[in-house]
Amino acid sequence: IQMTQSPSSLSASVGDRVTLTCRASQTISTYLNWYQQRPGKAPKLLIYAASSLQSGVPSRFSGSGSGTDFALTISSLQPEDFATYYCQQSYSSPITFGQGTRLEIK
Amino acid sequence: EVELVESGGGLIQPGGSLTLSCAPSGFTVNNNYMMWVRQAPGKGLEWVALIYIGGNTYHADSVKGRFTISRDSSKNTVFLQMSSLRADDTAVYYCARSRGTGNNYCNHGVDVWGQGTTVTV
Repeated sequence: IQMTQSPSSLSASVGDRVTLTCRASQTISTYLNWYQQRPGKAPKLLIYAASSLQSGVPSRFSGSGSGTDFALTISSLQPEDFATYYCQQSYSSPITFGQGTRLEIK
Repeated sequence: EVELVESGGGLIQPGGSLTLSCAPSGFTVNNNYMMWVRQAPGKGLEWVALIYIGGNTYHADSVKGRFTISRDSSKNTVFLQMSSLRADDTAVYYCARSRGTGNNYCNHGVDVWGQGTTVTV
């Protein structure tokens, strides 16, 4: 299953509300996870099962969608949120990741 | 605290072999789905291999026949044996744990990641 994220990069300011999108090449129900990766660091799980917030993740992160179209929304960007975000499907093996959206400071 | 520590990366000639190790703290490899995920320089994430709680293993087509995931319960360690290495295997290799329910090994995401170990071919 191919995962396509858009946009590939996005410039935004602290305090902005941003939405990143992810599309699956076939329906995956809600088997969709989101990760944040800061430069030189390992990915960090933010959202699982499309909309469930991982323990310890700030509530400004939220996920939505089902079927083939999904979104990750950050309600009010903080300086530490500037990173690359990946979606990943767990509907079928092998698990696959999107190519990532790089969120940059405007 | 739950964490994973990888080791074994390095610089290797094409065609060579290398074994990566991954030792968790705070949980046991036997009771969890464990996997390796790699990231080539400047690229995205690619799943490489998985070992189920029951011991079954699966490998990506790109490494099948060359890489082998295994675990040693007595050492509480997961391994990735890599052979016939190629330039396109150059990457940071992450050991990770996934959580799942029912027959799905990852529907609750990959929740613990190691710091990564670099393999340069």
